[in-house]
Amino acid sequence: TQTVSQSDAHVTVFEGDSVELRCNYSYGGSIYLSWYIQHHGRGLQFLLKYYSGNPVVQGVNGFEAEFSKSDSSFHLRKASVHWSDSAVYFCAASIPGYQNFYFGKGTSLTVIP
Amino acid sequence: ETAVFQTPNYHVTQVGNEVSFNCKQTLGHDTMYWYKQDSKKLLKIMFSYNNKQLIVNETVPRRFSPQSSDKAHLNLRIKSVEPEDSAVYLCASSHSYEQYFGPGTRLTVL
Repeated sequence: TQTVSQSDAHVTVFEGDSVELRCNYSYGGSIYLSWYIQHHGRGLQFLLKYYSGNPVVQGVNGFEAEFSKSDSSFHLRKASVHWSDSAVYFCAASIPGYQNFYFGKGTSLTVIP
Repeated sequence: ETAVFQTPNYHVTQVGNEVSFNCKQTLGHDTMYWYKQDSKKLLKIMFSYNNKQLIVNETVPRRFSPQSSDKAHLNLRIKSVEPEDSAVYLCASSHSYEQYFGPGTRLTVL
């Protein structure tokens, strides 16, 4: 069994601030971790994923995420947010060889202009 | 660029009616999914379909059924809707452990 947890339901920052959205997982084996963004009224959009190699992965629109095996984490970061980054962000996990995705509960990010 | 298409965008119906939602993907992916997203944005996997193999979330009521004509299409049928079926239904496809979602169909059951 594996789970994905996003500890922050809501995060509010000002435009230009940096932000970190937290994701922790529980699974003992190899795992794919990914982040998705969902703007209001739209479907989810893939941002980035990690499986192995460099623990810092780059995504679209200046987002990056860092994997930590010791912390069982895959936090998403952006150095300088824009008001258009306001959305709900989902962390997800997949087990190699299986097609299912396990999503966290999402973090709603509000960026104040 | 939209590559997973869903119709309709919205649907309002009454308890007991049958509804059907369509999903098509033009990405050439082998696996497609249906999710239910509630008002709190929680995502619940309902079905995944790969090479004619259907995987059903055992918590999904039997009134829900997927229908596929080929690997590019996965429709969702609800035989007799209930008030708790009001939600956004998201279709997705996947490749290399990345999912691509449609815009969703919002169902309101009166």
